[in-house]
Amino acid sequence: AQSVTQPDIHITVSEGASLELRCNYSYGATPYLFWYVQSPGQGLQLLLKYFSGDTLVQGIKGFEAEFKRSQSSFNLRKPSVHWSDAAEYFCAVGTNAGKSTFGDGTTLTVKP
Amino acid sequence: DAGVIQSPRHEVTEMGQEVTLRCKPISGHNSLFWYRQTMMRGLELLIYFNNNVPIDDSGMPEDRFSAKMPNASFSTLKIQPSEPRDSAVYFCASSSPLEQYFGPGTRLTVT
Repeated sequence: AQSVTQPDIHITVSEGASLELRCNYSYGATPYLFWYVQSPGQGLQLLLKYFSGDTLVQGIKGFEAEFKRSQSSFNLRKPSVHWSDAAEYFCAVGTNAGKSTFGDGTTLTVKP
Repeated sequence: DAGVIQSPRHEVTEMGQEVTLRCKPISGHNSLFWYRQTMMRGLELLIYFNNNVPIDDSGMPEDRFSAKMPNASFSTLKIQPSEPRDSAVYFCASSSPLEQYFGPGTRLTVT
């Protein structure tokens, strides 16, 4: 069975600073990996996905993530954080049946 | 496309009442998922359907919960009778087939 660990429950960064959110997964086969963002009172929105190919994937809102098979990681990055990025971020690993297992989420606070 | 549509957006009901949550997936998506989100337990998968057939309902908390998908464009999640501990945000998502698209959720409060 697959699993996802997001080691950081809460991260605070200053506006304009860089951001990296960590994600580690466990899955026996080639993983399908996702990052979602959830703003307060909203549903989860897909930021980016990795299926195969280039291990550095670009997403919406200036986010990117890098798949590292040797470390079973799929960390999310953004070079310069904006106040509107404050939200909860979920990493997920999916199967080819469409079912995904989600991490517990990381809450991002952005300081002015 | 309008995305995944859920109704109602908010529901307040009294303990013991029946609650029905509704979901319209994105057209052409063949998998549908129901999740529950609470502060204590995070995001939990309750049940998912593939081609209108329930595939995995191991996350359904107990017999008070039931879900149906009578056709490709509609699903319901029913709680009967409802209890205060069922208070949560319930999300529906559909997939295309790998990445999931979430609806805005139904915030359920059982008093």
